[in-house]
Amino acid sequence: AQSVTQPDIHITVSEGASLELRCNYSYGATPYLFWYVQSPGQGLQLLLKYFSGDTLVQGIKGFEAEFKRSQSSFNLRKPSVHWSDAAEYFCAVAPNQAGTALIFGKGTTLSVSS
Amino acid sequence: EPEVTQTPSHQVTQMGQEVILRCVPISNHLYFYWYRQILGQKVEFLVSFYNNEISEKSEIFDDQFSVERPDGSNFTLKIRSTKLEDSAMYFCASSGQGNAKNIQYFGAGTRLSVL
Repeated sequence: AQSVTQPDIHITVSEGASLELRCNYSYGATPYLFWYVQSPGQGLQLLLKYFSGDTLVQGIKGFEAEFKRSQSSFNLRKPSVHWSDAAEYFCAVAPNQAGTALIFGKGTTLSVSS
Repeated sequence: EPEVTQTPSHQVTQMGQEVILRCVPISNHLYFYWYRQILGQKVEFLVSFYNNEISEKSEIFDDQFSVERPDGSNFTLKIRSTKLEDSAMYFCASSGQGNAKNIQYFGAGTRLSVL
C-alpha cells in the first residue's frame, strides 16, 4: 500500500538557519510528489510538486525539494528560514492520474526561534 | 488568485444530526475532493468526484456520507447521522484540466465538532 513517512514530528530552527524536512514514500512506481504547508487557521497551500524531469524542483517562498528515487525520498529544503515559515508541513504522494487521492504524511511542525 | 472557499468555518452539531458542509471549488476545475483531518492525525482522503459522479472513495466514506454538486458552483458533503468520531477538520479540494489536473488546491477547511 502507498504510504508517506515524515520522521520528524516537530523541528525547531533558528531564524536565518537552513532547513530540511524529510519525507519518504512507499509506492510501486514513481508517484507524483507534493509538499503542502498549513499555517494556523489556514488551508493547505501547495509549496511545490514533482511530476517528472529535473529532480530538484523549486517552489514558492524560497523552498525547494529534491526527488531521490534510490532513497524513495522527497526532502524539502530552504537555505534561510524566516519567522513566517513557522507552520505545519505535509508531504503527499499520488498516482500519476487525475482525480485520485493524495496520500499524506503525518506532517512536521516547524517552529522558528529568534 | 482563485481559491477554494468552504463554509462554515466551524460547525457544531449534536450527535445523530445531519450536517452539510459546503465548498465552492475554483471555477474552471473539474475534479473535486473531500478530505478530513482528525485532531493530531494525518489528512485522510474521503472521496473524489468527477463528471457528476464519485470516481474514488475511501473506506471511511461509508453510507453515512454523500456528496453532491447541486449547481454549477457548489460541492457539498453530507453526513446523515453524525457520530462523535466524525469530529474533525474537513477540507475540500479541486483540480483542473490538462497538466493542472493532478494539482489539488485546498480550502481553509470546516471544523466539525460533534457533541
